[in-house]
Order: sequence, then C-alpha cells, then structure tokens
Amino acid sequence: ETGVTQSPTHLIKTRGQQVTLRCSSQSGHNTVSWYQQALGQGPQFIFQYYREEENGRGNFPPRFSGLQFPNYSSELNVNALELDDSALYLCASSLEGRQTMNTEAFFGQGTRLTVV
Amino acid sequence: KQEVTQIPAALSVPEGENLVLNCSFTDSAIYNLQWFRQDPGKGLTSLLLIQSSQREQTSGRLNASLDKSSGRSTLYIAASQPGDSATYLCAVAGFQKLVFGTGTRLLVSP
Repeated sequence: ETGVTQSPTHLIKTRGQQVTLRCSSQSGHNTVSWYQQALGQGPQFIFQYYREEENGRGNFPPRFSGLQFPNYSSELNVNALELDDSALYLCASSLEGRQTMNTEAFFGQGTRLTVV
Repeated sequence: KQEVTQIPAALSVPEGENLVLNCSFTDSAIYNLQWFRQDPGKGLTSLLLIQSSQREQTSGRLNASLDKSSGRSTLYIAASQPGDSATYLCAVAGFQKLVFGTGTRLLVSP
C-alpha cells in the first residue's frame, strides 16, 4: 500500500456528462500528478499540482481541469465526456520542489472510467 | 520530445528463469528513472528508482541499471516466480512529469 487513495474505483458515465475523480495524497506529500492510461498503453501525463497551483500540463484539452486542496488532496474534473475518455485515471503523489522532479512518485489504485 | 520504448512487448518464461526487460529513451536529460509493476486493472507499484547520477539499484531479486549516455535501462529479475506475472513499466522523470513506455507483459509459468 502506497498511502495514495483514489475514489471511486469504477465509474460509468454517459457521453456529454461531467465527472469528478478524487485523490488523497500520501501523508507529507505536497505534489499530485494525474495520468490517463488507455487500455494497452502507458500512462499519459495530464497535469500536476504543487501547493494548490497547477505546475505543468500535458497535451489534454481544457475540459480536463483540476484542483488541489490545502491538505494536498486533489480532484480531476472532466467536462463534456467523450467515448475516448474511457480509461484508467491514475493519481500520483510525491514530495517536490517547484523546479524539480527527482523524488519517487507513489501511485494510487486508479479509477476506471467508462463512457458510454 | 521524450519517447520511451520497451522491448519486448510480451515475454513468457518458465518459473526459475532469470530474465531481462529493456527500456530505452531518446532524451538523456532526465532526473531519474523508475520501474513499476502493474497488475491487470490496477494501479502502479514502484519497484526501483534510479537517480540520474546512479548506475544501478537493487531490491531483492530485482536489479535495475541505467546508462544515461546511451539512453538505456534494464530490469533484471532473478529466479522468476509465477507471482512476478504482471506488466512492467519504465518511466523517465523529466521536468514536472513522468514519461512512460508501453510496458512489457510478463507471464511466468509454474
């Protein structure tokens, strides 16, 4: 167990709907990153939050947004869901400085999102 | 743009064999490299982390090496067991993010 927990574990949504996924970081970690993993692929970086601010973003449209709270837990919000958004969404926490990423990332068990 | 490739995509071995998984990356400007294990439908379990200044790391039956100049890493698994069956992912840490390969799916038969 890494101490990173995600909820819910599974979710089914209809195309066009909105979804919120949640992540509780490992104790003491100040950085949360979100990844999308399509079936048979490696995880793709969505964005990172460091001390409640977005600290980097991958190649995902603005309908993917996030929040990090003072206790360093985080949310991933996806608006106007599309069928291709069906994937495993992974949250990772780490203890970072703003300009570096050289510490170990610990991942949660993921949320399996199915869009129908 | 960093690209990470893992070879082979799939590997099937009998129990007890020693095996090597390969990972290559195109940009040597990395902070570290991590190897992860992923069971079907599950999250990622960190196996080993090698800092960019290190050459190798060991944990139990696992040994990972890093050659930054050639853009390569290997994960060596000694005396494989059926419980080692999983997908193994390598990821290189650049600024703010990890870039993953597509993984090697390992099956160890009893």
